Amino acid sequence: AQSVTQLDSHVSVSEGTPVLLRCNYSSSYSPSLFWYVQHPNKGLQLLLKYTSAATLVKGINGFEAEFKKSETSFHLTKPSAHMSDAAEYFCVVSEGQAGTALIFGKGTTLSVSS
Amino acid sequence: GAVVSQHPSWVICKSGTSVKIECRSLDFQATTMFWYRQFPKQSLMLMATSNEGSKATYEQGVEKDKFLINHASLTLSTLTVTSAHPEDSSFYICSARGVGGPRFSVNTIYFGEGSWLTVV
Repeated sequence: AQSVTQLDSHVSVSEGTPVLLRCNYSSSYSPSLFWYVQHPNKGLQLLLKYTSAATLVKGINGFEAEFKKSETSFHLTKPSAHMSDAAEYFCVVSEGQAGTALIFGKGTTLSVSS
Repeated sequence: GAVVSQHPSWVICKSGTSVKIECRSLDFQATTMFWYRQFPKQSLMLMATSNEGSKATYEQGVEKDKFLINHASLTLSTLTVTSAHPEDSSFYICSARGVGGPRFSVNTIYFGEGSWLTVV
């Protein structure tokens, strides 16, 4: 069975400092991995996705993530946090087969202080 | 890009009544749609997978008679919460996997904006 573990429920950073949100996954097959962001009372926005191409994936708003099969990790990073980055972030796994649903991690709340 | 629309965005209903939430893929065809619910400050929990023209597949613990899912066309799936109770109050989100359309990406799942249900 596939699953994701987000290692931190809450991360706090100062504006302008780097962001690291950690995610480990478990999958029986070659997974597709995603990071989604959710702002308060809003729907979900896709930040980036890994689907067996390049292991370093660049997304929107300066975020990127690196797929490391040996560590079963897919950590999300950003060099410099902005106040608008404060939100809930979800690491998501899919086994990539047609019709396979996305399985969500429990989420990490990112707080950004000025 | 591809868009998934949910309606209504907010709904309040009385306990014991039923409420229907629609999920539409606006510019692409979706043979598969997924329904999630999200409690405040929690993650999304998959409720069911909806396939066009066939019965939905429900996750363990989800009552299929309470949460009726219909996927009648390639662009529309509906979730009906029957005999709603206050504990059904939640944020319901649908998503769709595109298979045809001018502006979609294969292997990308598109999410609706979600529907807040409050049962009083």
